[in-house]
Amino acid sequence: EPEVTQTPSHQVTQMGQEVILRCVPISNHLYFYWYRQILGQKVEFLVSFYNNEISEKSEIFDDQFSVERPDGSNFTLKIRSTKLEDSAMYFCASSKRVGQDQPQHFGDGTRLSIL
Amino acid sequence: QKEVEQDPGPLSVPEGAIVSLNCTYSNSAFQYFMWYRQYSRKGPELLMYTYSSGNKEDGRFTAQVDKSSKYISLFIRDSQPSDSATYLCAMSLYGGSQGNLIFGKGTKLSVKP
Repeated sequence: EPEVTQTPSHQVTQMGQEVILRCVPISNHLYFYWYRQILGQKVEFLVSFYNNEISEKSEIFDDQFSVERPDGSNFTLKIRSTKLEDSAMYFCASSKRVGQDQPQHFGDGTRLSIL
Repeated sequence: QKEVEQDPGPLSVPEGAIVSLNCTYSNSAFQYFMWYRQYSRKGPELLMYTYSSGNKEDGRFTAQVDKSSKYISLFIRDSQPSDSATYLCAMSLYGGSQGNLIFGKGTKLSVKP
């Protein structure tokens, strides 16, 4: 069964450094998302992306964050200047199209550790 | 008032038991309701996806949505040790394709052989 793949599985970065998290969504999906889960807390929505632009973003997704679909298969999340509080699991998700019975499918996440 | 509330457990049951997992929510505009299963160090895996009120069954899993009470449930029949995981409820205003999902905190389930 097709799946969402994320790399790396674990990223360790010094505070203040830039980090790029990568995702390969399911191939015929058109909607892409990033969520994060801080240890012991809920999964939280960050951003959704469709047709090469952001369709919705949360308050968490500030100017330090950006997303990009650089080619036909990858979807990336960049954090420009990481903070300690950015340490979390970051999940990428994708879905086919608008309408019923088109749920979001998640990857296994990237664990981001900021030192 | 939190948007989606879910008892974090942990919940421990013997193999073969019927498990009932629940979430309540405050926003009556939610239309789409999902249950995800999350194993340790893995991403959420979709189990059930329901639109509006009613029941949906898939194998040993049954999802129920009661919009009048703002209450959703997941039942697992004949539970197995492999069902041991954290179960997340999620909901959205729009279709799952475009809407951002609001998650509960998750209920950690342990099924003992």
